[in-house]
Amino acid sequence: GQQLNQSPQSMFIQEGEDVSMNCTSSSIFNTWLWYKQDPGEGPVLLIALYKAGELTSNGRLTAQFGITRKDSFLNISASIPSDVGIYFCAGRSNFGNEKLTFGTGTRLTIIP
Amino acid sequence: SAVISQKPSRDICQRGTSLTIQCQVDSQVTMMFWYRQQPGQSLTLIATANQGSEATYESGFVIDKFPISRPNLTFSTLTVSNMSPEDSSIYLCSVDFSGKDTQYFGPGTRLTVL
Repeated sequence: GQQLNQSPQSMFIQEGEDVSMNCTSSSIFNTWLWYKQDPGEGPVLLIALYKAGELTSNGRLTAQFGITRKDSFLNISASIPSDVGIYFCAGRSNFGNEKLTFGTGTRLTIIP
Repeated sequence: SAVISQKPSRDICQRGTSLTIQCQVDSQVTMMFWYRQQPGQSLTLIATANQGSEATYESGFVIDKFPISRPNLTFSTLTVSNMSPEDSSIYLCSVDFSGKDTQYFGPGTRLTVL
């Protein structure tokens, strides 16, 4: 089945630094979604991407839909303490089903 | 987006018992999904809850273990039956609005089985 590899698995950064993470797939997706999950909470949708090459921002967050349709990237600029959490990518192929495939997650920690 | 609530938010149960988790949405939605998130892991789809018909289960999940109801367009339940410690996970309800191609999650139910 489809798999999504997310990297890095974890990041330790200082407040104010920029963050980059990516997600790669073995197959093509038509939709990419990025989520953030805080401890004890459900994932919260950050950004949705629907077209190859699309670049979309949400505040300090920017995500891109890779032109090959097999990858996506999330950048966070000028990180702040509330950015701490686990970030998940998710893709949907829309080829006969509506299921999302989730990435393995990137855990972001901010070092004081 | 939608407001999605889940009950209970957490529970500690004895092995061999069953727990029913409720998911309520503040607006009508076409598709509802149930996910499991084991400790430190990503999300795994259990089943798609279809209104008016039986749920569609993913490989590795069966109706006898995870019966699902979807009586209307705003509500669904997931039952975890005959629980064992391996069922200790976060169970998440999710909804997808028809035509919007996005998916939103409830706050989750944290289940611990002793």
